[in-house]
Amino acid sequence: LAKTTQPISMDSYEGQEVNITCSHNNIATNDYITWYQQFPSQGPRFIIQGYKTKVTNEVASLFIPADRKSSTLSLPRVSLSDTAVYYCLVVGWNFNKFYFGSGTKLNVKP
Amino acid sequence: DVKVTQSSRYLVKRTGEKVFLECVQDMDHENMFWYRQDPGLGLRLIYFSYDVKMKEKGDIPEGYSVSREKKERFSLILESASTNQTSMYLCASSIWDRANYEQYFGPGTRLTVT
Repeated sequence: LAKTTQPISMDSYEGQEVNITCSHNNIATNDYITWYQQFPSQGPRFIIQGYKTKVTNEVASLFIPADRKSSTLSLPRVSLSDTAVYYCLVVGWNFNKFYFGSGTKLNVKP
Repeated sequence: DVKVTQSSRYLVKRTGEKVFLECVQDMDHENMFWYRQDPGLGLRLIYFSYDVKMKEKGDIPEGYSVSREKKERFSLILESASTNQTSMYLCASSIWDRANYEQYFGPGTRLTVT
């Protein structure tokens, strides 16, 4: 049983807001949720992390409902350069678990 | 800027060979990780180290071993390479901080075992 699941792919247009959801039904009380972006031939790059409710930084927002069984990465006004694969990663509070989703390939069209 | 470097971008080895993948980070991070990445499977953790000489098995440690003799260096060893170990291997590092789970990744090593 997959520990984290994500849609395989999504399409969007420049200027739109994009929401990518990750399901982590078995998340433990103290686990954290992180999200990464990966371009071809590069390692993943950290975007944002959160524990509950909403977190916002200069590039994205992360929404986590009260039951924490899912999380949604929100990218405002995407551009062509946001075309990439996006991964969620659930991390154990004590660095005792690391569960990556299989990634969502976002394709931004002009 | 944190820098994580991996010894090779591309590597071709023969079945049965012993393979060493090296990773070095320059930010004095306590934690270091080895992942493999395969199409449709995302990233899977092979081994994790939180200190020199310390290691923890990840989800898929079979066929791999690791070595961490210095804080900045974490090596992945394939004792006898097999074709099913053909993959992209990614190294990462992070600080030990229960409020900060950001990992910094290297560029990856694409290993082909023939």
